[in-house]
Amino acid sequence: GESVGLHLPTLSVQEGDNSIINCAYSNSASDYFIWYKQESGKGPQFIIDIRSNMDKRQGQRVTVLLNKTVKHLSLQIAATQPGDSAVYFCAENSGGSNYKLTFGKGTLLTVNP
Amino acid sequence: DTAVSQTPKYLVTQMGNDKSIKCEQNLGHDTMYWYKQDSKKFLKIMFSYNNKELIINETVPNRFSPKSPDKAHLNLHINSLELGDSAVYFCASSSRDRGLVSSYEQYFGPGTRLTVT
Repeated sequence: GESVGLHLPTLSVQEGDNSIINCAYSNSASDYFIWYKQESGKGPQFIIDIRSNMDKRQGQRVTVLLNKTVKHLSLQIAATQPGDSAVYFCAENSGGSNYKLTFGKGTLLTVNP
Repeated sequence: DTAVSQTPKYLVTQMGNDKSIKCEQNLGHDTMYWYKQDSKKFLKIMFSYNNKELIINETVPNRFSPKSPDKAHLNLHINSLELGDSAVYFCASSSRDRGLVSSYEQYFGPGTRLTVT
């Protein structure tokens, strides 16, 4: 659903549950993808990245899955905690030499205690 | 230690004024960026400098002029401010060349909330 006012996709989960945030990217030539977390009043913070020659990458409590066939990226957060509440952005680099990241719309994750 | 810092954090000004936002990074990166985030949280690249050379210049009004005095600093000057300029402006930096491995990862500053009245 959408959050009134912000018009962001929203995901609400219970503490301890797993969260899955989805992202559709636009450019089939993109060779690098990155997930950022933005807490209220702060700048985006790196979570995890993945190159196009991979389909899965794991970090601490987070996993990124890449499906190039359908141009889809997902971020899985295990055992979601209240501190995970934030806006999550996916970004892609379209393979150009200027290292430009194009950001997706963002998803607001709310974790209920 | 602050990696990417911006000043000021908040800026309230009237239409028609000229203002500047400053950004500094102490990460030793060679590339810096300015982004604009609107009220719907949409994050859009404005400019990028690599080793003081402008490499990305998106469709931004020419009232916006970035200046990079050295690799560690990228300032943003805005002339004749308009209501639609109200937003949060983020500076970011990255290292384009890391020996044999280049990195696309960008490190963001805390943002400057600009309000034009």
